[in-house]
Amino acid sequence: RKEVEQDPGPFNVPEGATVAFNCTYSNSASQSFFWYRQDCRKEPKLLMSVYSSGNEDGRFTAQLNRASQYISLLIRDSKLSDSATYLCVVNTFYNFNKFYFGSGTKLNVKP
Amino acid sequence: DVKVTQSSRYLVKRTGEKVFLECVQDMDHENMFWYRQDPGLGLRLIYFSYDVKMKEKGDIPEGYSVSREKKERFSLILESASTNQTSMYLCASSPWAGAGELFFGEGSRLTVL
Repeated sequence: RKEVEQDPGPFNVPEGATVAFNCTYSNSASQSFFWYRQDCRKEPKLLMSVYSSGNEDGRFTAQLNRASQYISLLIRDSKLSDSATYLCVVNTFYNFNKFYFGSGTKLNVKP
Repeated sequence: DVKVTQSSRYLVKRTGEKVFLECVQDMDHENMFWYRQDPGLGLRLIYFSYDVKMKEKGDIPEGYSVSREKKERFSLILESASTNQTSMYLCASSPWAGAGELFFGEGSRLTVL
């Protein structure tokens, strides 16, 4: 079983739509959670960290559900520039700072 | 601005050649990582280092070695390149164990013919 699983998509949505991605992780000892954004042929960049209480950054909201071992990312009022692949990343402290990546969810925002 | 710099963006090598991929970070981070990224497989950890001269195997170390002689520099070495090592190679660094964000270089796209 993979450490981190994501729906690869693609999610094709019109501009202005709200879209949500989920990601599940298998290790209950996971401690840190992140969403990264990766544009085509570019390196991943941190979009936001995910805190236990949930957090919001403008149009982006991230939630963590430890009981069910999933994290989510909600994007409101989608923009064309949101088109990218979104990577779910999980970190387990005891394992020498190894980060586990989902294979990514592709989002296409259409005019 | 934080910076992770990879020496080559694009390389083309022949089977059997020795390949060096260099990575330098200017953030004084303890941890450095080498990943490869392939379509459908996501990012897979090759090696990581948590201190100078220290290294740990990741999930797919076979066919690779690494060197960290200075804190800011982490090199990935392909002793004898093979076609199945054609991939995007990403270097990353992070400031501390357990909770740090990963900062990535721009990637090195290696093609082995």
